[in-house]
Amino acid sequence: SQQGEEDPQALSIQEGENATMNCSYKTSINNLQWYRQNSGRGLVHLILIRSNEREKHSGRLRVTLDTSKKSSSLLITASRAADTASYFCATVPNNGGSQGNLIFGKGTKLSVKP
Amino acid sequence: DTGVSQDPRHKITKRGQNVTFRCDPISEHNRLYWYRQTLGQGPEFLTYFQNEAQLEKSRLLSDRFSAERPKGSFSTLEIQRTEQGDSAMYLCASTPLAGDEQYFGPGTRLTVT
Repeated sequence: SQQGEEDPQALSIQEGENATMNCSYKTSINNLQWYRQNSGRGLVHLILIRSNEREKHSGRLRVTLDTSKKSSSLLITASRAADTASYFCATVPNNGGSQGNLIFGKGTKLSVKP
Repeated sequence: DTGVSQDPRHKITKRGQNVTFRCDPISEHNRLYWYRQTLGQGPEFLTYFQNEAQLEKSRLLSDRFSAERPKGSFSTLEIQRTEQGDSAMYLCASTPLAGDEQYFGPGTRLTVT
């Protein structure tokens, strides 16, 4: 079953604008990861944030994590047409029995118009 | 390092037939995962291997599904007596023992007619 949900389900912006996607999850986590999936291609890992971290940066990406609200956000700054893709958050549960398998949300479909 | 590869990329089969997919993980990655993704949804976990041992199976993995990783390298996922509901993208991912980031293959798209 899905762990959580991304919001919005779809987002359309102009090139150069910032894109913000949110993710909510249900259970205690070890870490939260964001992945990108282009049409017809596999999933690519973007960034990982651990449960004891609050914010992380990687290039044009900024991720925040609020464990008290069980939520995360992904900010893509100065978006490009090549950023057009579906973005998924995925959590690794902190339940002692987890083998590291990811629990994905339904994704946000981002469209960046040139 | 050529990344995770999956074969075939596409498979069309008739209901009731058996199908087998192969995944070749990144070499020396001990951990291997299978996921299933349907249209408009995120991937859902199916099963996990550490080396050759299958350590976790999802409730999604009915008795028609079986997975192996005989020598701790490549893995196969077999679906027996396929049903239309099995139509999906089947994704394989691998990661080293001490890693958290998963490296995904391009997937095998199964269509059951």
